[in-house]
Parts: sequence; C-alpha cells; structure tokens
Amino acid sequence: GQSLEQPSEVTAVEGAIVQINCTYQTSGFYGLSWYQQHDGGAPTFLSYNALDGLEETGRFSSFLSRSDSYGYLLLQELQMKDSASYFCAVRDPNQGGKLIFGQGTELSVKP
Amino acid sequence: GAGVSQTPSNKVTEKGKYVELRCDPISGHTALYWYRQSLGQGPEFLIYFQGTGAADDSGLPNDRFFAVRPEGSVSTLKIQRTERGDSAVYLCASSSKAGGGNEQFFGPGTRLTVL
Repeated sequence: GQSLEQPSEVTAVEGAIVQINCTYQTSGFYGLSWYQQHDGGAPTFLSYNALDGLEETGRFSSFLSRSDSYGYLLLQELQMKDSASYFCAVRDPNQGGKLIFGQGTELSVKP
Repeated sequence: GAGVSQTPSNKVTEKGKYVELRCDPISGHTALYWYRQSLGQGPEFLIYFQGTGAADDSGLPNDRFFAVRPEGSVSTLKIQRTERGDSAVYLCASSSKAGGGNEQFFGPGTRLTVL
C-alpha cells in the first residue's frame, strides 16, 4: 500500500518562511507532487519532484530525498493569500497515474 | 482557455435517491480521473478513464457507484441508492498524458449532500 504523512496544520506570519514536510511509504516511487487548495476551491498543481534535490518556482520550492522517503514544500515571503491547504501526493503510473494524497496541511498566514 | 468544469456545483438529495454528477475535462485531455474528498481529508481516487474506457476502477467503493465516458470527453459519475456516507465533494481531474503525467487539472467539484 501507499501512505503519506504531513502535519495537519501550520501557522505563520506574513513575510515569513514556512516548511511543510511530507513522508511517504510506497511500493515503488514515481515522484512527489504538491497541490494547493483554497477553501471551497479546486486543488491546483504547485510542483513535482522525481529526482533528489530542490526545485524552485518563484516563492515556492519543493525538495525531495528519495533515500529518506521525505519531501517538503517551502513557501517564502508568505502572503495572506497563501492561507490554504497543501497536499503532497505520489503518482502511481502502474495504475494509470492515479494520485495518492496525504491528508493535507492547513496553513494559516497571520498579519 | 477553459479549465475542467463540473455540474452541478451543489447537489442535495435524499437517502435512497439516484444522482448523476457531470465532468467536462479540458479539451483534448485523454486521461480523466474522479476523486472523492471528505472534510479535512485529501482527495481519494475513485476511477480513471483513458479515452472511453475505464482503465482503473479500483477506487469505486461498491457497486452503487458507476461512471461512464462514452465519447472520450465528458464523463458522468452515477450513484445509485445514495447513503448519508456518500456525502462529500466529488472532484474530477484531467490530464493530457496517458498515465496522468506530472500534473492533473482539477475541477471545482460537486458538493453532494445526502439527507
């Protein structure tokens, strides 16, 4: 089976940096994705890591360590609009690419 | 361009009734997924279509749930004899690549409430 663990909630202030961790247990691994979901909205893709290391996209970066079955999403220069739920997910291409999601981390950004 | 759309946005029904939820994927996307999301949880996979065929329906919880995609575009998720436990947000996602690629594009979901 496959399972992912991430903290249920994180609070930070505007302008700060926050890191959301994700550990996974999978039978086979084909990359770790991150999705953002605002209240009542659709999950939207943020990043994907297939190889070890850091991927940077603007204020957001994502890191992967396959040997540790661990990844994180780093959000810099936090803005109020970053308040949302963040999900890590692994892809299972052997089963048509369905995504297995973690339970999500609710990020609250305070002024 | 237009993203994934889902209708209705909200559906309230009574226990035992039949419901249909519709998904319009991004034009040209061959892969289509249905997920179900309960409050405070991540989306859970239900079924995957590649073209017209259901390539993986391992996530459907029981035989009350069924989905079709007759022309390889629009898909309908059908739930018979609804139960209160079916209440959730049903999300549809599409991708341009078989096997999902690295990014799936999600619709806003249909919030189903079974009274």
